[in-house]
Amino acid sequence: DGGITQSPKYLFRKEGQNVTLSCEQNLNHDAMYWYRQDPGQGLRLIYYSQIVNDFQKGDIAEGYSVSREKKESFPLTVTSAQKNPTAFYLCASTSRREGAKNIQYFGAGTRLSVL
Amino acid sequence: KNQVEQSPQSLIILEGKNCTLQCNYTVSPFSNLRWYKQDTGRGPVSLTIMTFSENTKSNGRYTATLDADTKQSSLHITASQLSDSASYICVVSGGQYNAGNMLTFGGGTRLMVKP
Repeated sequence: DGGITQSPKYLFRKEGQNVTLSCEQNLNHDAMYWYRQDPGQGLRLIYYSQIVNDFQKGDIAEGYSVSREKKESFPLTVTSAQKNPTAFYLCASTSRREGAKNIQYFGAGTRLSVL
Repeated sequence: KNQVEQSPQSLIILEGKNCTLQCNYTVSPFSNLRWYKQDTGRGPVSLTIMTFSENTKSNGRYTATLDADTKQSSLHITASQLSDSASYICVVSGGQYNAGNMLTFGGGTRLMVKP
């Protein structure tokens, strides 16, 4: 898991509720990413951020929001607009110095379920 | 459309046996290909990374090969151990690091090693 910490490990969401997943890294990495993993499918990119106060939508951004107020932190909010939020969520980061190979380091993940 | 296909989807082998996992990709342009190991409920961990000019790379009992002409890669595991039970994910990077995320993930091969 390197220096990327995701919390909580398990999270339950009620109908109509927004929930926030935490991702913190102490690797001094510039870029951070959020992925969603569903059984038998490849990871899908939700949002990514290359620098503080800037972020871009990935392939499946609808129903999610992010912020990047600090270099170390990239929280993901799953809003009530996301109708099928049950999945395993992975946060990753990478350094610009390793950017040529775009090596990403992953956190341990958060499993989100709907009550 | 960029795609990464892995086979088989799942595999069961006996401890001590060898196995080979396959990855075919249609990502273009191509920058590098990496194999990740993901234990259940954990984040992926990088095993190997290969650029266009490399056709084989080893990491202990793991050996990855790359044929950039046929766009195929394989991951060979020698003398399997119970701890090798995990999902193995093939990831292709489709360009230089830039504002976007150029990674395409395969769906993974779930390997189970039995005693």
